[in-house]
Amino acid sequence: QVQLQESGPGLVKPSETLSLTCTVSDYSISSDYYWGWIRQPPGKGLEWIVSFYHSGTTYYNPSLKSRVTISVEMSKNQFSLKLSSVTAADTAVYYCARDCERGHSSGCFDFWGQGALLTVSS
Amino acid sequence: QSVLTQPPSASGTPGQGVTISCSGSSSNIGNHPVNWYQQLPGTAPKLLIYGNGQRPSGVPDRFSSSKSGTSASLAISGLQSEDEADYYCAAWDDSYWVFGGGTKLTVL
Repeated sequence: QVQLQESGPGLVKPSETLSLTCTVSDYSISSDYYWGWIRQPPGKGLEWIVSFYHSGTTYYNPSLKSRVTISVEMSKNQFSLKLSSVTAADTAVYYCARDCERGHSSGCFDFWGQGALLTVSS
Repeated sequence: QSVLTQPPSASGTPGQGVTISCSGSSSNIGNHPVNWYQQLPGTAPKLLIYGNGQRPSGVPDRFSSSKSGTSASLAISGLQSEDEADYYCAAWDDSYWVFGGGTKLTVL
């Protein structure tokens, strides 16, 4: 059973860079699946941020692409999200997740972390 | 404002059937499969249906989906109290994944 766990600072100041890490257990992130980040502002709906494959293929939400950086630490079975120049609108629960179909990005995320609340405030 | 449009709310009584709609365009639903998620309060979303109406292991066959043109629907039969949740549709839109705004299902 794949397990994902997000970790992050909880509070970020406006204009700074938000940084989150997803630690994956019981499954290698170098396997044949895409991995992604999805966020949910408090009381609002879901917003897809990015999906990536271990080979480097990455798909971005165009509205966030200029501020998003993805990095992967294979040795720790972790991947990270950095979102720069944050504002209050970036306050959300951030989820990491695994795509359900081997080898391509299907947007069907079948394993999710519990979510990490990131608040942007001075 | 979401690219995919869902009604904000829906309701039904136990045992009934209910349908949740998801309206899009030719750049998303019209040309790509639709995925559906269920989100119980305070929890991460759960994949209900993906691709061409496939259900992940463990999802009961009370949940089904359909698609016609640029609209899709999630049907829930034999409504149960534990079905009370938010439901989201999702689809590929030219170059990125989009979600509907979500529908809050109340079991009366």
